Amino acid sequence: DAGVTQSPTHLIKTRGQQVTLRCSPKSGHDTVSWYQQALGQGPQFIFQYYEEEERQRGNFPDRFSGHQFPNYSSELNVNALLLGDSALYLCASHPGLNNEQFFGPGTRLTVL
Amino acid sequence: KQEVTQIPAALSVPEGENLVLNCSFTDSAIYNLQWFRQDPGKGLTSLLLIQSSQREQTSGRLNASLDKSSGRSTLYIAASQPGDSATYLCAVCTWNAGNMLTFGGGTRLMVKP
Repeated sequence: DAGVTQSPTHLIKTRGQQVTLRCSPKSGHDTVSWYQQALGQGPQFIFQYYEEEERQRGNFPDRFSGHQFPNYSSELNVNALLLGDSALYLCASHPGLNNEQFFGPGTRLTVL
Repeated sequence: KQEVTQIPAALSVPEGENLVLNCSFTDSAIYNLQWFRQDPGKGLTSLLLIQSSQREQTSGRLNASLDKSSGRSTLYIAASQPGDSATYLCAVCTWNAGNMLTFGGGTRLMVKP
C-alpha cells in the first residue's frame, strides 16, 4: 500500500516565479492538508481540501492556492514567489475529520 | 488560538538511557494529539496518536501520555539507541480549529553510541 507521495522532491525557483507542487494521498484517504515547514521550525498549516473544496485555511496570503481532483490528489500553487517562501512543503492525508494524519516526504522549495 | 510548546528544544544522551520529551498546549479542547518523528530533510513519520478520551498509547519502546486538563503530553523513550536520533514533533487537533494540526517547534534528539 503506497503511502502519501509528493512531487517533485526538490525545486529551485527565482523570485516572482510561480510553482506547483503535487500530492497523492494514501489509499482510502479523501482529505488532504498542506503544511509549510521553515528550517528549524514546526510545520505551519496552509489549507485543507475535502470533496474538491478548500475547507479550512491557515494564515497564508492569497498567493497560496490549491486544488483537489476527483481522485483526491491535490496541488499547491504559489504565485509571485518570495525568498521567504523557501521551505519544506508537506502534504498530509487522512480519512475524514479528526483522524490520524499521514505525511508525505515533502518538497524542498528554494527561492533564489 | 492554540499554541504548542516543546521542551527541551535539544537533547543529547548516551545510548541506553530512558528519556522523556515534553509537549504542552494552551487549549485543552482537543480531538487528539499526535507524536511524529522527522529525520533531517525528510517528511514526518507518525509514531503515536492519542485520542482525547485516552490517557496513553504504547508502541514498542515508545509510550505517550496525555493529560488534557493540564495541557500536557509526554513521550517516553526506553533504552534509547543511536537510531532514535531525530527531531520529535507533537501536534494537536483542536475542536475549534477544524482538522488542522498545530505543531510544537520540536525536540532535536541525539543519542550517542
